[in-house]
Amino acid sequence: GAGVSQSPSNKVTEKGKDVELRCDPISGHTALYWYRQSLGQGLEFLIYFQGNSAPDKSGLPSDRFSAERTGGSVSTLTIQRTQQEDSAVYLCASSPSSGEANTQYFGPGTRLTVL
Amino acid sequence: RKEVEQDPGPFNVPEGATVAFNCTYSNSASQSFFWYRQDCRKEPKLLMSVYSSGNEDGRFTAQLNRASQYISLLIRDSKLSDSATYLCVVNGLSGGGADGLTFGKGTHLIIQP
Repeated sequence: GAGVSQSPSNKVTEKGKDVELRCDPISGHTALYWYRQSLGQGLEFLIYFQGNSAPDKSGLPSDRFSAERTGGSVSTLTIQRTQQEDSAVYLCASSPSSGEANTQYFGPGTRLTVL
Repeated sequence: RKEVEQDPGPFNVPEGATVAFNCTYSNSASQSFFWYRQDCRKEPKLLMSVYSSGNEDGRFTAQLNRASQYISLLIRDSKLSDSATYLCVVNGLSGGGADGLTFGKGTHLIIQP
């Protein structure tokens, strides 16, 4: 079946502009996660959704970052007034439900470059 | 002590050899452990879960040592296609978010012909 999809696959923007990244999880998966990965670094947790609510926003690096999920499906991650340090690959993952033992399935990521 | 620590490598291993690497974790109460594989410029994909009694999937064997707080991954008869970064994932760590899953930075494995 269809996996997690993300769009755009690549985004180049100028410093100070806003960007919106989209994640389409696997159908029926209730949990959705956003991570980012800088070049040569590990995954950095950003935010987690269970259904439409976000019980854990602890990883958002600043108030320029926000995310929402509507209809328990598609999620968007918005970065306002982008900075060069925001350049990274933004990965979305989904799982059938919350809980540590549930496997997370990752999308291909959005590569964001802030000039 | 880092919460999830892995030797970044790279491990350069000849094709057909056996290679093993470990991952240490900081929380003795952690209950769930996984190995993910990440190819260059690709997303991470689950390789295998790690069970208390150890488990095997083909050429791959994962083991858990709770006393010393580490998990290991052993790859037998290595193939060129095994070249990738192997991520250790552990639950129950502070700041892990998302139900406490924390990803290590990965061990880079290069299988040489």
